[in-house]
Amino acid sequence: GAVVSQHPSWVICKSGTSVKIECRSLDFQATTMFWYRQFPKQSLMLMATSNEGSKATYEQGVEKDKFLINHASLTLSTLTVTSAHPEDSSFYICSAPRDRANYGYTFGSGTRLTVV
Amino acid sequence: DAKTTQPTSMDCAEGRAANLPCNHSTISGNEYVYWYRQIHSQGPQYIIHGLKNNETNEMASLIITEDRKSSTLILPHATLRDTAVYYCIVRPNTDKLIFGTGTRLQVFP
Repeated sequence: GAVVSQHPSWVICKSGTSVKIECRSLDFQATTMFWYRQFPKQSLMLMATSNEGSKATYEQGVEKDKFLINHASLTLSTLTVTSAHPEDSSFYICSAPRDRANYGYTFGSGTRLTVV
Repeated sequence: DAKTTQPTSMDCAEGRAANLPCNHSTISGNEYVYWYRQIHSQGPQYIIHGLKNNETNEMASLIITEDRKSSTLILPHATLRDTAVYYCIVRPNTDKLIFGTGTRLQVFP
């Protein structure tokens, strides 16, 4: 149980276009989801916290107008990379708390974005 | 936020126990120690967590020192599939999980 489904698993887009990444909690409700970015051979960097029904909270240095986050329901959060550039090429991963009892977090399988 | 220190990399022979250390000397009393791992090009996978008692599950064992300033993740019989980056995380008093650099474990035949 506690599966987070992330789509697409990989995407290639042209510079200047926008890309949407979806993160769904399949068998549990997630009022909060987290979005991470990971560059090659580096650790995961937290970008933002997505909150159902309210605005996302962005980490310092993350451009909120470039990385649009929407958390419209208890099972879906989306990250849209707007006006993508090659430097936005990265591995994007979402996560959601599994339950309050064990405080565990379930991660999506990640999205490999390549901007050409 | 409490920070963790882990060795950059470790090797382990297949079938042997892998013992991955983590220092978290500034941990607060209500903070848990979490372990996750990330196999190449996949999302992180939860392994185990604990507060102050030693914990064991089907994947691993977690040994936390009495002063809670360090811990060790034990994979009792490492396999090639256990090759991954292992992250020790002390959970801050928020819902965030902040990843450090982790330990790259290479299991060899």
